[in-house]
Amino acid sequence: GAGVSQSPSNKVTEKGKDVELRCDPISGHTALYWYRQSLGQGLEFLIYFQGNSAPDKSGLPSDRFSAERTGGSVSTLTIQRTQQEDSAVYLCASIKSSLERNYGYTFGSGTRLTVV
Amino acid sequence: AQKVTQAQTEISVVEKEDVTLDCVYETRDTTYYLFWYKQPPSGELVFLIRRNSFDEQNEISGRYSWNFQKSTSSFNFTITASQVVDSAVYFCALSEAFNDYKLSFGAGTTVTVRA
Repeated sequence: GAGVSQSPSNKVTEKGKDVELRCDPISGHTALYWYRQSLGQGLEFLIYFQGNSAPDKSGLPSDRFSAERTGGSVSTLTIQRTQQEDSAVYLCASIKSSLERNYGYTFGSGTRLTVV
Repeated sequence: AQKVTQAQTEISVVEKEDVTLDCVYETRDTTYYLFWYKQPPSGELVFLIRRNSFDEQNEISGRYSWNFQKSTSSFNFTITASQVVDSAVYFCALSEAFNDYKLSFGAGTTVTVRA
């Protein structure tokens, strides 16, 4: 696609439920990133994919968070047993290759997650 | 320790005024990269500029200019003759050579340009 697409744009869920957030990167972009933007923590790195593998998962806040990427394209971020502190905007970004990562990522508009 | 500090939380100006956004960073690497991103109300982060640690030349792009000073670890951003469309949150970010896939963002500065 022309840009990074994220869905849903907004999600309200009850505490304890699982949610899946989707990111569709720009076609041909091999590297994909998830960031979280919350009031208390600002913008935090969560996880990075090069192709389908995730060399660094250290940013995931807890074992309730997981992410996968299939076919080198779409990525899904899953949060199990959601808690109120998970409420945030989850941003996805992609770049054509890891060699270009310092030229600037293309970000999606994010998924606003609200846990009630 | 916070790697990127944007001391200004909010700035409000009248259209056509200049506005300068401060960014101070901290790193032990000699090779690093600095970025500015704009986040308009739509929420999407828009890439504005990238600067590597070996290039201290200031840069101008239209009404935008950037002043990189390694001596003070600062990478400030100026919008000249501001316009209402410049209203947004602006983020400064740093990536370091040893894990350059991670961006460390500052807290952001909200700029409001009034007509």
